Amino acid sequence: GAVVSQHPSWVICKSGTSVKIECRSLDFQATTMFWYRQFPKQSLMLMATSNEGSKATYEQGVEKDKFLINHASLTLSTLTVTSAHPEDSSFYICSASPPLAGLSDTQYFGPGTRLTVL
Amino acid sequence: AQSVTQLDSHVSVSEGTPVLLRCNYSSSYSPSLFWYVQHPNKGLQLLLKYTSAATLVKGINGFEAEFKKSETSFHLTKPSAHMSDAAEYFCVVWGVYSSASKIIFGSGTRLSIRP
Repeated sequence: GAVVSQHPSWVICKSGTSVKIECRSLDFQATTMFWYRQFPKQSLMLMATSNEGSKATYEQGVEKDKFLINHASLTLSTLTVTSAHPEDSSFYICSASPPLAGLSDTQYFGPGTRLTVL
Repeated sequence: AQSVTQLDSHVSVSEGTPVLLRCNYSSSYSPSLFWYVQHPNKGLQLLLKYTSAATLVKGINGFEAEFKKSETSFHLTKPSAHMSDAAEYFCVVWGVYSSASKIIFGSGTRLSIRP
């Protein structure tokens, strides 16, 4: 149980275009999902916390207008990278926590999406 | 404030020998601590977590970690390394600071296993 999927797993786009990444919890409902980015050989950096039915909470330094997050249902959150540029190329990972889990409970991670902007 | 430091960026051990991956944390409140493993081209997998219960936590694949408040450490150990343990390991702290939950990943430790 507790499987999280991401789609696509790999995407290449041209500079200036927008890319949408989906994160789904397959066998549980997730009131909270998290979005991370990971540069090569580096750790994960939390970008934002996505709450179902409300606005996402962004970490300091993350541009809200560039990284649009929508958490429309209890099983789906999307991250849209708008007007992507080469410096946005990265590995984007989402995670989800089951409801009523409490702050200290486990996150289940998706397999990640590799974005390359040409 | 919260922080987590993984003291070694790379650890190499021989198959069958013990593994020690070090993690120190800093937190204003009693944190929850996790170890995750990331195999190449795969998602992060939870190894174990500490949430103020027993200080010695046993996880999957023979790994365990001990929470030592006096040393602010949460080192990951395994008695005997296996080739399949080669991966990137992340120590994670999750707590509440200024009424907001914060999750912070360590920089990661790459574990290599020599035949």
